Amino acid sequence: AQSVTQLDSHVSVSEGTPVLLRCNYSSSYSPSLFWYVQHPNKGLQLLLKYTSAATLVKGINGFEAEFKKSETSFHLTKPSAHMSDAAEYFCVVSPTGGFKTIFGAGTRLFVKA
Amino acid sequence: KAGVTQTPRYLIKTRGQQVTLSCSPISGHRSVSWYQQTPGQGLQFLFEYFSETQRNKGNFPGRFSGRQFSNSRSEMNVSTLELGDSALYLCASSLVGVRFWAGELFFGEGSRLTVL
Repeated sequence: AQSVTQLDSHVSVSEGTPVLLRCNYSSSYSPSLFWYVQHPNKGLQLLLKYTSAATLVKGINGFEAEFKKSETSFHLTKPSAHMSDAAEYFCVVSPTGGFKTIFGAGTRLFVKA
Repeated sequence: KAGVTQTPRYLIKTRGQQVTLSCSPISGHRSVSWYQQTPGQGLQFLFEYFSETQRNKGNFPGRFSGRQFSNSRSEMNVSTLELGDSALYLCASSLVGVRFWAGELFFGEGSRLTVL
């Protein structure tokens, strides 16, 4: 069985400070893992994906995530938050070789000036 | 390259009515999936179509249905609308193989349905 848990429903940071959005997953298969971002009244946009290559994955807009199999985690980080990063972020798991995506509940990121 | 296009963007219906939403995928993408997004339940998978066949289905009642045409465009239909069907309906397309998928989803901006 697969599942994905985003550990924080809301995260608030000040502009220029680091961002950490936490995601734990459970999968019976070797999973593909993704982070998507959704700005208000918009669809989701892919930030980055892990598909069993390098464990440290770099994405768009300065975001990166590290796959840690021993901890079953795929946390999203950014060294310095920007006001435009304020949005909702979704961690997604999908088993390699099959089509079924499981979305986390989302983490809303607030960025203070 | 044009992105995923969903129409209409906003619509208001009353209980008991039915609604049809349309999704045009990115050119060359044969897989189209649909999701319902609500504040209470988050993002939930409705169904996925590949080459005009429903390949996967989520846990929604039979009032929710869909189809895909030979040009990969897809429609979803909700009959006998209930207040709880008010949501943002998102469509996503993907470049997939016949038996596997390990890629990414490209989302449209959604159709926001309000049921009164």
